[in-house]
Amino acid sequence: EAGVTQSPTHLIKTRGQQATLRCSPISGHTSVYWYQQALGLGLQFLLWYDEGEERNRGNFPPRFSGRQFPNYSSELNVNALELEDSALYLCASSFSSSGTFFRLYFGPGTRLTVT
Amino acid sequence: SQELEQSPQSLIVQEGKNLTINCTSSKTLYGLYWYKQKYGEGLIFLMMLQKGGEEKSHEKITAKLDEKKQQSSLHITASQPSHAGIYLCGASNQAGTALIFGKGTTLSVSS
Repeated sequence: EAGVTQSPTHLIKTRGQQATLRCSPISGHTSVYWYQQALGLGLQFLLWYDEGEERNRGNFPPRFSGRQFPNYSSELNVNALELEDSALYLCASSFSSSGTFFRLYFGPGTRLTVT
Repeated sequence: SQELEQSPQSLIVQEGKNLTINCTSSKTLYGLYWYKQKYGEGLIFLMMLQKGGEEKSHEKITAKLDEKKQQSSLHITASQPSHAGIYLCGASNQAGTALIFGKGTTLSVSS
């Protein structure tokens, strides 16, 4: 069984630019979650997509957005990049949650560096 | 909002020693997940606990959810260098709309 995949592995951007991160869930999973792991801040919940809809978002500004495609893969977009956006971005997938949580399967992450 | 506090923040143990990591929630836990992360990599699922008093083991790692369902402990017996990494506990928020995590416990095992 192929795991959750993320691309690119590393991304270097300049302040003010836009970054696009991609995630492919495990086959059969319809929920995709995005997390930000910045140094010293732990794992912060960003977004949850299920069946193509945004179900919940964490306490992040609107310049963090995303979408889920019909094949359940997902894209995270970060506009107007700031230095503090530098972090490891982790994607996870699970079967549809419907208000309860199943085990999350995490991808290897995308390391975003903003200079 | 629900918060998960892990203790200790970091831990250095000698190979072969036992250790315990704690995870305390500010609210009742309805499902507690333990994950392990190698620095800069994704999270690896260890185990999930749902019922108060539940205890699960995998190889030399045992996790328990206390009866009042607000604290979980992760115990490693006879630690090995392969146990080194960051251990994170996660739990569903009260609304069931997000899985939140503690800040993690960094474990180093010296040989």
